[in-house]
Amino acid sequence: QVQLQESGPGLVKPSETLSLTCSVSGGSLSSYYWSWIRQPPGKGLEWIGYIGHSGSTNYKSSLKSQVTMSVDRSKNQFSLRLTSVTAADTAVYYCARMYSSFLDHWGQGTLVTVSS
Amino acid sequence: EIVLTQSPGTLSLSPGERATLSCRASQSVSSSYLAWYQQKPGQAPRLLIYDASNRATGIPDRFSGSGSGTDFTLIISRLEPEDFAVYYCQEYGTSPTLTFGGGTKVEIK
Repeated sequence: QVQLQESGPGLVKPSETLSLTCSVSGGSLSSYYWSWIRQPPGKGLEWIGYIGHSGSTNYKSSLKSQVTMSVDRSKNQFSLRLTSVTAADTAVYYCARMYSSFLDHWGQGTLVTVSS
Repeated sequence: EIVLTQSPGTLSLSPGERATLSCRASQSVSSSYLAWYQQKPGQAPRLLIYDASNRATGIPDRFSGSGSGTDFTLIISRLEPEDFAVYYCQEYGTSPTLTFGGGTKVEIK
């Protein structure tokens, strides 16, 4: 059974860079795309982007200037970097596996707060 | 970019009743690439339905999805206590990108 686990700082200062890692167990990164999704407190889900096992990426257009995703096949991990964060980037961040057109396995989520 | 509008925003029902949730797209969803998720407080979303009408592994048959083009529906035939949650639809577009609807909360009446 595939399991995903997000990790990273829970507090980031405004204008700095948010960095999160998703560790995948019970399966390989190969043959799938891997997504990041976020959810501001009390609000809905927002897709951020995805990365393939080979490193190909696709980001939400409104976040393209801020987002970089990468993959580390040796560690079975993929990562998210979000630059120049503001309070609007405060959210629970989820990683998830894309199977075809949908997200079939999700991490439990990690809350990242942007505050000085 | 496709916009998904879910209605109603909140559905107040009693256990045993039927829930009908709507997801309307601003343009046609390609190949019925439409999924539904359930989210309970403090938990990650859980996949319920994919490709508009296929139940995910382990999902009870009281959950059913239908629709095509721009109009999609999730039906919960008889609400169980554990079904009270927020439901999101999601489409996979031609860019290709993913878009979520704003969610429908199913609450106990």
